[in-house]
Amino acid sequence: GESVGLHLPTLSVQEGDNSIINCAYSNSASDYFIWYKQESGKGPQFIIDIRSNMDKRQGQRVTVLLNKTVKHLSLQIAATQPGDSAVYFCAVLPDTGRRALTFGSGTRLQVQP
Amino acid sequence: KAGVTQTPRYLIKTRGQQVTLSCSPISGHRSVSWYQQTPGQGLQFLFEYFSETQRNKGNFPGRFSGRQFSNSRSEMNVSTLELGDSALYLCASSSRWPTDTQYFGPGTRLTVL
Repeated sequence: GESVGLHLPTLSVQEGDNSIINCAYSNSASDYFIWYKQESGKGPQFIIDIRSNMDKRQGQRVTVLLNKTVKHLSLQIAATQPGDSAVYFCAVLPDTGRRALTFGSGTRLQVQP
Repeated sequence: KAGVTQTPRYLIKTRGQQVTLSCSPISGHRSVSWYQQTPGQGLQFLFEYFSETQRNKGNFPGRFSGRQFSNSRSEMNVSTLELGDSALYLCASSSRWPTDTQYFGPGTRLTVL
């Protein structure tokens, strides 16, 4: 199976600072990793993804880093804005045969003005 | 392109009743997955459908079932509702899961009294 854990349930940052949200997974055969953002009353919104054949991927203001050696995933948000306040989930696909994402418990990001 | 839509958005039922939730995927997406989100258990996979066939099922009792129609729209049904079934039910669609990512709808909030 797969278990996914997040290092901090809550992260508070100042507007303009960079944010780093961490995630650990257990299955070394995990192939696909996704970060989602969920605002209150809404469904998870896709942010960025990365496959196991990559170490880093960048999007607009976001970067995902994958360290397969220690089974660790992180999401970096540059110049954090109040609109970034939400719960962030990492989701892991243990292997393509199973086809079911395993989600972490989420980190609530609070952006202080 | 319109996103994933789910109906109804809110639902209140009593124990013992049954409920049907509907999901319309993004146009052109043929894979639909269902997840249950609760404060205690987080996001848990229910099942996935592709081309009207269930391809994967999570660890939920047989009271939870689903189906997919030829237009890729999907429904899930929960029979003999229990208080513990109160949750946000999320639908996610993908053009070709897991080669392409999953995009979530806003969810249906089910309350069982």
